[in-house]
Amino acid sequence: ELKVEQNPLFLSMQEGKNYTIYCNYSTTSDRLYWYRQDPGKSLESLFVLLSNGAVKQEGRLMASLDTKARLSTLHITAAVHDLSATYFCAVDEYNNNDMRFGAGTRLTVKP
Amino acid sequence: DVKVTQSSRYLVKRTGEKVFLECVQDMDHENMFWYRQDPGLGLRLIYFSYDVKMKEKGDIPEGYSVSREKKERFSLILESASTNQTSMYLCASKINPGGYTFGSGTRLTVV
Repeated sequence: ELKVEQNPLFLSMQEGKNYTIYCNYSTTSDRLYWYRQDPGKSLESLFVLLSNGAVKQEGRLMASLDTKARLSTLHITAAVHDLSATYFCAVDEYNNNDMRFGAGTRLTVKP
Repeated sequence: DVKVTQSSRYLVKRTGEKVFLECVQDMDHENMFWYRQDPGLGLRLIYFSYDVKMKEKGDIPEGYSVSREKKERFSLILESASTNQTSMYLCASKINPGGYTFGSGTRLTVV
């Protein structure tokens, strides 16, 4: 069974600092997704990574995928308060139609 | 942009009622999903459908059923609502390869 592990689960950081969220998964896959969820809201797609070595950047967030290591990272640069949210990674499994989600990382950015 | 519309943002139902949660997507996506999200438990897959009239059980199908009579519509049915089904319900659609597009969610309270 495909397992997806995120860490840390909780992250409190100061504005202006950098940090990385990690997403490990247990099976061969080259399709990984990052989502953001604000409190009380649904999930919003951030990044779609579809090959080994894929890197995507949007503002202060950058996501990468290493399929050999079965690892994706979400790097936060110079955090700002607006980035406070819960971030989920999810992995597509070959021959399956559904995705497996990590438990989510709740990020709080403090002034 | 694909849009996934859930018919209600908030619902309050009584124990024992039959509850219908509706989800409609406006692109030609084959795959549609129902998840529930609870604090500390992450996203759990209830049912999914990869084609009209096709359905597959997810991780927690007990107490639920689904209907997909048309490609754009996927309904989740709580046969006899119970208080432990109080939750946030998220519908999503997907085309392969590609990530999910989520609806805005339905927060269901069973009293």
